[in-house]
Amino acid sequence: GENVEQHPSTLSVQEGDSAVIKCTYSDSASNYFPWYKQELGKRPQLIIDIRSNVGEKKDQRIAVTLNKTAKHFSLHITETQPEDSAVYFCAASTQGGSEKLVFGKGTKLTVNP
Amino acid sequence: GAVVSQHPSRVICKSGTSVKIECRSLDFQATTMFWYRQFPKQSLMLMATSNEGSKATYEQGVEKDKFLINHASLTLSTLTVTSAHPEDSSFYICSATLTSGGLRETQYFGPGTRLLVL
Repeated sequence: GENVEQHPSTLSVQEGDSAVIKCTYSDSASNYFPWYKQELGKRPQLIIDIRSNVGEKKDQRIAVTLNKTAKHFSLHITETQPEDSAVYFCAASTQGGSEKLVFGKGTKLTVNP
Repeated sequence: GAVVSQHPSRVICKSGTSVKIECRSLDFQATTMFWYRQFPKQSLMLMATSNEGSKATYEQGVEKDKFLINHASLTLSTLTVTSAHPEDSSFYICSATLTSGGLRETQYFGPGTRLLVL
């Protein structure tokens, strides 16, 4: 089955700096890659997603890149703000298949003012 | 749009009792809902996939007689933790998939239920 590895497990940056979180997946059939942000005690919130027919997607300060050949995808947050502090999870699934999301172990991002 | 609710948000029960958790898609119909369990500072672990009108599909290692799932309508799935024990204490989260134009879009999560078994 699918296996998703996520790095780093913790990331601390200064406000205004950029943050990058990387994930790799094992199943070449995976074609959908969402990123979720989870604040303490809250539900995971979708922040951006990308499908395998696209190499990059951007939404304001957030961008995701996908390298299908290498089977890895990354989340980029620019101009970080303290409210970006949270745990971020990457995930992979096969749309049209089982559609189960397999999650990475998460990255705790801390943005220091 | 794409709002998922969960009830209760928090429950404390005695060991040996059963607890039912409801997951509702408020503004869309969800043919598929998922149930996850999350331990503190850990990732989400898929327990089962719930399909409306059919039996749930459980992940390996999840006891189907322990965690009963019912998906009676396109907007409601329930998870019942039977004969709960302290080791069942956890954060349980459901999600529902929104279908758009024949394609299933992403999963939207409920707010979670924190279960504490004494």
